[in-house]
Amino acid sequence: ILNVEQSPQSLHVQEGDSTNFTCSFPSSNFYALHWYRWETAKSPEALFVMTLNGDEKKKGRISATLNTKEGYSYLYIKGSQPEDSATYLCAFYGQNFVFGPGTRLSVLP
Amino acid sequence: DTGVSQNPRHKITKRGQNVTFRCDPISEHNRLYWYRQTLGQGPEFLTYFQNEAQLEKSRLLSDRFSAERPKGSFSTLEIQRTEQGDSAMYLCASTINSAYEQYFGPGTRLTVT
Repeated sequence: ILNVEQSPQSLHVQEGDSTNFTCSFPSSNFYALHWYRWETAKSPEALFVMTLNGDEKKKGRISATLNTKEGYSYLYIKGSQPEDSATYLCAFYGQNFVFGPGTRLSVLP
Repeated sequence: DTGVSQNPRHKITKRGQNVTFRCDPISEHNRLYWYRQTLGQGPEFLTYFQNEAQLEKSRLLSDRFSAERPKGSFSTLEIQRTEQGDSAMYLCASTINSAYEQYFGPGTRLTVT
């Protein structure tokens, strides 16, 4: 059974702080790594899809990196805002999608 | 609104009853996924369709669960003889292919009493 881990499990930061989370996944049979943001009472929303080792993607204040050789991805949020509060999920795609348990971020005003 | 809809949004049923959920994906998306999510966990893969063909089914899925996508458009997920352990959020997602982002529906929350 494939294991996708995320750390930390939850995080509280002050508005304006920068933060980052980790997603660990198997380094074999890799096809793609997805990041999603899931706000309470809404649908998960795609942030990034990365397929190549060394990929770096950026969307506004959020960016992500990918290391397929060692099996990890980092998600960075610069200058956190209260509207960034959500659960951030990563999903490894090899034969099928395996999601991590998520990192729950709370940004305090 | 992602363009993927699910019905019903909430379902409360008694143990032993059958339930059916529906997912309407984005029309040009040929891949459709079903997931189950419980508290504190990420979505767990159940099954997926490429057009009307069911290509993969999780080994964790008991034979009480069945899914269809008869015309390659909407899909249904049926759970027969529900058990309390089936209580969860059932999510549907559609995509062009797995290298592209998935678009999730709002989910159906099932409570089995």
